[in-house]
Amino acid sequence: GAVVSQHPSRVICKSGTSVKIECRSLDFQATTMFWYRQFPKQSLMLMATSNEGSKATYEQGVEKDKFLINHASLTLSTLTVTSAHPEDSSFYICSAFLPGNTIYFGEGSWLTVV
Amino acid sequence: TQLLEQSPQFLSIQEGENLTVYCNSSSVFSSLQWYRQEPGEGPVLLVTVVTGGEVKKLKRLTFQFGDARKDSSLHITAAQPGDTGLYLCAGRAGQAGTALIFGKGTTLSVSS
Repeated sequence: GAVVSQHPSRVICKSGTSVKIECRSLDFQATTMFWYRQFPKQSLMLMATSNEGSKATYEQGVEKDKFLINHASLTLSTLTVTSAHPEDSSFYICSAFLPGNTIYFGEGSWLTVV
Repeated sequence: TQLLEQSPQFLSIQEGENLTVYCNSSSVFSSLQWYRQEPGEGPVLLVTVVTGGEVKKLKRLTFQFGDARKDSSLHITAAQPGDTGLYLCAGRAGQAGTALIFGKGTTLSVSS
């Protein structure tokens, strides 16, 4: 079964609104989670590293005020896309390390901004 | 910034043919992983290589890590339509717990 769960799997929002995507670690604590974005037929691009209890670390070119990351507990990280635009439409995937350093990915969340 | 150059980007072959996908970098990686991803799903780990020169086999798939740990290859023997998908190499240059950096991916299409 899944060890990292994302919700929602698909979401459609209107341009200018905000949408939140959740990433949960199931049955284990994840002090660090990673958020990736993937456009159709392209690879995964690391957006940011989410750290429990502290600020996220963003990759170069990723707007931290637009992609808000909150890692308030050891099992939950959230990514909020603020003032979404059609160009933000993408597949967003989170990942987390299990004890023993194995990395697992969530199922992904399709965001469509109309 | 560590970069992983993956090639070819697209590959379309007939069933039964062999193929090789390459992943190269100027950086040394502590480990390198290969994933396969279906549309709309998260990537699924195929293999992790950690030792320079290491070769791992998974049925018809052979993975090799370069001696200098800067490159890797994935070889598929006698490809089948079920092998169709996006193949991604990913490396971790830093210490344990650092993020994976992905190559651009190889979209493989195997027709019968």
